[in-house]
Amino acid sequence: AQSVTQLDSQVPVFEEAPVELRCNYSSSVSVYLFWYVQYPNQGLQLLLKYLSGSTLVKGINGFEAEFNKSQTSFHLRKPSVHISDTAEYFCAVSVSGSARQLTFGSGTQLTVLP
Amino acid sequence: DTAVSQTPKYLVTQMGNDKSIKCEQNLGHDTMYWYKQDSKKFLKIMFSYNNKELIINETVPNRFSPKSPDKAHLNLHINSLELGDSAVYFCASSQSSGAYEQYFGPGTRLTVT
Repeated sequence: AQSVTQLDSQVPVFEEAPVELRCNYSSSVSVYLFWYVQYPNQGLQLLLKYLSGSTLVKGINGFEAEFNKSQTSFHLRKPSVHISDTAEYFCAVSVSGSARQLTFGSGTQLTVLP
Repeated sequence: DTAVSQTPKYLVTQMGNDKSIKCEQNLGHDTMYWYKQDSKKFLKIMFSYNNKELIINETVPNRFSPKSPDKAHLNLHINSLELGDSAVYFCASSQSSGAYEQYFGPGTRLTVT
């Protein structure tokens, strides 16, 4: 079985500052990795995904993430955040070759302060 | 065009009642899911259907019964509602081969009083 740990439940950051949201996973098999964003009172939207290939993945809204197999991590980064990035961010993992079961982390609330 | 839609968006009901939540996707996907998000925002899969066939059924009380009339629809029926059923329920869909990402609906906030 897979598991995901998001190390920070809340991350406050000032506008235009860089941010990193941390995600570690555990799995005995190859995995696919995803970051989703949930704005208040909305559903989840895919930010980016890692399936294979380049370990640096670029997503929407200026976010990127780096897959590190040796450290079993998939941290999300943005060089300069905006107020509109305030949301809940979820890291998720599935077994390679299957979209059928996503295991989510507990989420990180990113709050961008003016 | 809405990719994954759910109705209703809000549902307030009393303990003991039976209620249904409907989900439809127009993405042509062959797999659909129900997730429950609790008050701490933790997301957990409940069910998954592939081509109208149940493929994932996590530990969920049998008061919850999914029904998939066709590949584009997955409804969730809940019998004898309890206070602990209060949560946000999300429907999602994906294609079983290819991009592997799941697309989520806007959620249904269920409040049991």
